[in-house]
Amino acid sequence: GAGVSQSPSNKVTEKGKDVELRCDPISGHTALYWYRQRLGQGLEFLIYFQGNSAPDKSGLPSDRFSAERTGESVSTLTIQRTQQEDSAVYLCASRTTTSSTSGLEQYFGPGTRLTVT
Amino acid sequence: SQQGEEDPQALSIQEGENATMNCSYKTSINNLQWYRQNSGRGLVHLILIRSNEREKHSGRLRVTLDTSKKSSSLLITASRAADTASYFCATRSGGTSYGKLTFGQGTILTVHP
Repeated sequence: GAGVSQSPSNKVTEKGKDVELRCDPISGHTALYWYRQRLGQGLEFLIYFQGNSAPDKSGLPSDRFSAERTGESVSTLTIQRTQQEDSAVYLCASRTTTSSTSGLEQYFGPGTRLTVT
Repeated sequence: SQQGEEDPQALSIQEGENATMNCSYKTSINNLQWYRQNSGRGLVHLILIRSNEREKHSGRLRVTLDTSKKSSSLLITASRAADTASYFCATRSGGTSYGKLTFGQGTILTVHP
């Protein structure tokens, strides 16, 4: 079946502009995560959606970052007034909800490479 | 400081050799997972070990977990050139299985043919 998809795959924007990144999770996956990965670094958690629960926004680095998710489908990550330090790959992952070990792994999309000039 | 920290940062070996990567973490965990990343893009889940487990195997992969030392190791046996990638450990802290994962900085593995 289809995996997690993200769009655009690459985005170049000018400093100060707003950008919107999209994630389509695997159908039926109730949990959705956004991560940021700077060049040569590990993944930084940004935000986590789980069903209809309030999202865990504890990783968002500033109020310029926000994310939404409609039900258990598409999510968008918005960065307002982009800065050069926002340049990174933004990765989305989704996961099913189950109590078994096999449901705990996250399935990642290919990422959106954001470059702020 | 990072919850999960891998070492070495980079590892270069010949095809056929074994590769061992280590991960240390700071807080108690529910589970620890290893992921692989090719070319700086999406990650692929490799294996998960729960806090009450000490060792797991999956094909050529062997993971150990020592909760007393807050460390884990990933062993790839009989490495292949196709194993060249970055490898990350990720921990789920707290009492539940779900929620966010905290990733380490990764180990870059290069396997020379």
